[in-house]
Amino acid sequence: DTEVTQTPKHLVMGMTNKKSLKCEQHMGHRAMYWYKQKAKKPPELMFVYSYEKLSINESVPSRFSPECPNSSLLNLHLHALQPEDSALYLCASSQGSSSGGARDIQYFGAGTRLSVL
Amino acid sequence: AQKVTQAQTEISVVEKEDVTLDCVYETRDTTYYLFWYKQPPSGELVFLIRRNSFDEQNEISGRYSWNFQKSTSSFNFTITASQVVDSAVYFCALSFLFNQAGTALIFGKGTTLSVSS
Repeated sequence: DTEVTQTPKHLVMGMTNKKSLKCEQHMGHRAMYWYKQKAKKPPELMFVYSYEKLSINESVPSRFSPECPNSSLLNLHLHALQPEDSALYLCASSQGSSSGGARDIQYFGAGTRLSVL
Repeated sequence: AQKVTQAQTEISVVEKEDVTLDCVYETRDTTYYLFWYKQPPSGELVFLIRRNSFDEQNEISGRYSWNFQKSTSSFNFTITASQVVDSAVYFCALSFLFNQAGTALIFGKGTTLSVSS
């Protein structure tokens, strides 16, 4: 089973709203990721959690706030977003082995399509 | 710096034609990993194959085959006897350890494959 589950599938929010995206995996993976993908573009890395600690933050604005409550869950809290933040937000997970991280296969969820009005 | 180039933006073929998707990469690392992912209209990135830098053996899996050539820094992907279900965006990606703290995937811009019946 290589399933990563993301909820909701679609989200429409105003610029003053606060919302959260959720991601869950039960593969025992210790690394989890958030990517942002604009239309007709490749995914761009936002955050990496390794063993429940934030290890990479790719200069993402503070209106995006990640949280990793436990090794199976990853949240992305959204606040005061801008229309240009509308995109597909993808979550991924990988084994997270400390000795061979670069060879890890990242498994992706179906994403949340976010529209900011 | 790491970079992945997919020069073909869009390819259209008729069912049963063979099609090759090109990928050229740049890295200074001596050990690295390359990936191909498929993204159908549903949005989920589906892992297809991983190849490491010290294994240049080409691989065939059903209708899919991959040609890795270190001398030309290329990792091309061929679909034999294409089917309508192969229609998707295909991404080539390179992974690397980010300051020993986590793994990042660098994606090419993707090639959109359209297979018509």
